[in-house]
Amino acid sequence: GAVVSQHPSWVICKSGTSVKIECRSLDFQATTMFWYRQFPKQSLMLMATSNEGSKATYEQGVEKDKFLINHASLTLSTLTVTSAHPEDSSFYICSAGGLRGKANYGYTFGSGTRLTVV
Amino acid sequence: KQEVTQIPAALSVPEGENLVLNCSFTDSAIYNLQWFRQDPGKGLTSLLLIQSSQREQTSGRLNASLDKSSGRSTLYIAASQPGDSATYLCALRDDKIIFGKGTRLHILP
Repeated sequence: GAVVSQHPSWVICKSGTSVKIECRSLDFQATTMFWYRQFPKQSLMLMATSNEGSKATYEQGVEKDKFLINHASLTLSTLTVTSAHPEDSSFYICSAGGLRGKANYGYTFGSGTRLTVV
Repeated sequence: KQEVTQIPAALSVPEGENLVLNCSFTDSAIYNLQWFRQDPGKGLTSLLLIQSSQREQTSGRLNASLDKSSGRSTLYIAASQPGDSATYLCALRDDKIIFGKGTRLHILP
């Protein structure tokens, strides 16, 4: 089945630094990648949708200059948290949208990245 | 705006019991519904996917149903085991994928 590899699985960084999270689709080409954030005891919240070769679409309330998304190829999307602060500490998960975006497929998720900003 | 609600938020049952987790949604215009499992600090594991034209899916001890007209889905777990302890999330696909807040399930040995 479709596999999405997400790295790193956890990262601790100092406040003010930037962190890059990678998601790769290993055995299929993902034209769409979704990025989610999950705070403790909260549901997953969609942050942005990225389509290969075009700018990401951000959800309301998500700062596009702070959360930089790059989706330069069909197999790689990255999320960079710039100038991270403790309130950015969260669990970040990527998802490849339904195998070329077909609505009748489910989603394949990465294993998630636990970010702690100290 | 689509809203997804999962009840109960938490559930503890003795090992061996059958149980039902509920998911309700406000807009029946969905493409599919998926049930996921999430272990603490981990990513998501897809359990069952139900297309909008289907009414149920089964995998092992798990059975998921979908009733679009009433805006409800249930996840039935038979003969629960301690290893079933996790948070269970339902998610709907319309233009995006929208998650419920999950049900934290604890199976008591």
